[in-house]
Amino acid sequence: AQSVSQHNHHVILSEAASLELGCNYSYGGTVNLFWYVQYPGQHLQLLLKYFSGDPLVKGIKGFEAEFIKSKFSFNLRKPSVQWSDTAEYFCAVNVAGAGNTPLVFGKGTRLSVIA
Amino acid sequence: GAVVSQHPSRVICKSGTSVKIECRSLDFQATTMFWYRQFPKQSLMLMATSNEGSKATYEQGVEKDKFLINHASLTLSTLTVTSAHPEDSSFYICSARETGTGSSGANVLTFGAGSRLTVL
Repeated sequence: AQSVSQHNHHVILSEAASLELGCNYSYGGTVNLFWYVQYPGQHLQLLLKYFSGDPLVKGIKGFEAEFIKSKFSFNLRKPSVQWSDTAEYFCAVNVAGAGNTPLVFGKGTRLSVIA
Repeated sequence: GAVVSQHPSRVICKSGTSVKIECRSLDFQATTMFWYRQFPKQSLMLMATSNEGSKATYEQGVEKDKFLINHASLTLSTLTVTSAHPEDSSFYICSARETGTGSSGANVLTFGAGSRLTVL
């Protein structure tokens, strides 16, 4: 079974700082990779996803992530964070080519952006 | 875009009572819906996969008699927490993928806003 590891539990950044959140997964086969964001009091929203092709994917709100297959990683990045990026970020994977497979989530990383 | 609605968003009940949570796909059909549980400051844990017209598939450690799932139509799945106890207090989230959008598993799941259950 696949598993997802997010290295940072809580990250605190000043506005305009650069962000990188780590995500590693464990699975021997091909996976689809996702980053979701949960703003305070709101539901999960998709930030970006990787299925195949260019390993550098761009999502909404200036976020991007790079899939490095050799490292089983899918780190999330943003060059300059804003206060409104304060939220919980979840990395998730599911098995590619396997029909209706559920997502397996990491434990999440809380991002706090301070002025 | 696809929208998944959950109701109620918050429910408080007494210990021993049963609570039903509804998950509806508003503008698409979903043969499969997933129920997750989220503990405070923790990740989403998959509880079960709900299949329209058939029995749900439960994850290891999830009591199927405790968490009854019914997927009666292509747009509605319900989770009933039976004889709820304080330890069942949690945030329950459903998600769905639109039917007929491919079999690669690569299509995006849409999540409901969640239902916060508090058992007194």
